[in-house]
Amino acid sequence: GESVGLHLPTLSVQEGDNSIINCAYSNSASDYFIWYKQESGKGPQFIIDIRSNMDKRQGQRVTVLLNKTVKHLSLQIAATQPGDSAVYFCAENAEAAGNKLTFGGGTRVLVKP
Amino acid sequence: DAMVIQNPRYQVTQFGKPVTLSCSQTLNHNVMYWYQQKSSQAPKLLFHYYDKDFNNEADTPDNFQSRRPNTSFCFLDIRSPGLGDAAMYLCASREDRGPYEQYFGPGTRLTVT
Repeated sequence: GESVGLHLPTLSVQEGDNSIINCAYSNSASDYFIWYKQESGKGPQFIIDIRSNMDKRQGQRVTVLLNKTVKHLSLQIAATQPGDSAVYFCAENAEAAGNKLTFGGGTRVLVKP
Repeated sequence: DAMVIQNPRYQVTQFGKPVTLSCSQTLNHNVMYWYQQKSSQAPKLLFHYYDKDFNNEADTPDNFQSRRPNTSFCFLDIRSPGLGDAAMYLCASREDRGPYEQYFGPGTRLTVT
């Protein structure tokens, strides 16, 4: 079936460096994508979203890139901080599928001081 | 602040003993979701409500039931918990129109002894 997946299960990054988290999706009908951050013992927290009619969106220290040609989504975190250590999930939404989110497998980001 | 609240944060139940988890949201959202999340995995959708319309996922066991007495509250009932039901249970809500972002509660960690 359709799915969203991630390439890297764990990413270790030095504090101050930039992080890039990748996500592949397979549902070409997906029209909306979200990145969530989940810290240990907490619920997922919205980071940034992007619609399928865009290829880039920037937030505070974060940028999401969408490449529909290869069905690829990425999250870039600038100047990674210790507070960025968490598991990051991408999720896709397809209106045709009832607007339910399909989550990727998650990437754990570990920030080294 | 408007938010999604889950009670209790931690719940211990015995094998086979019914348990109810609760969720409330002050966002006045029409759509509410229940997810199950096991360790190091992505959230898995159990069911959702669109207003009072209940939508069950095809692979959600009959052991899991839900109630939504009003817009703000939603309950997850596990009729006969098994050891395999130990997990984090996440509640989320969203508006019934775009942008489809789901707001998550902090989760309830269920332990089955």
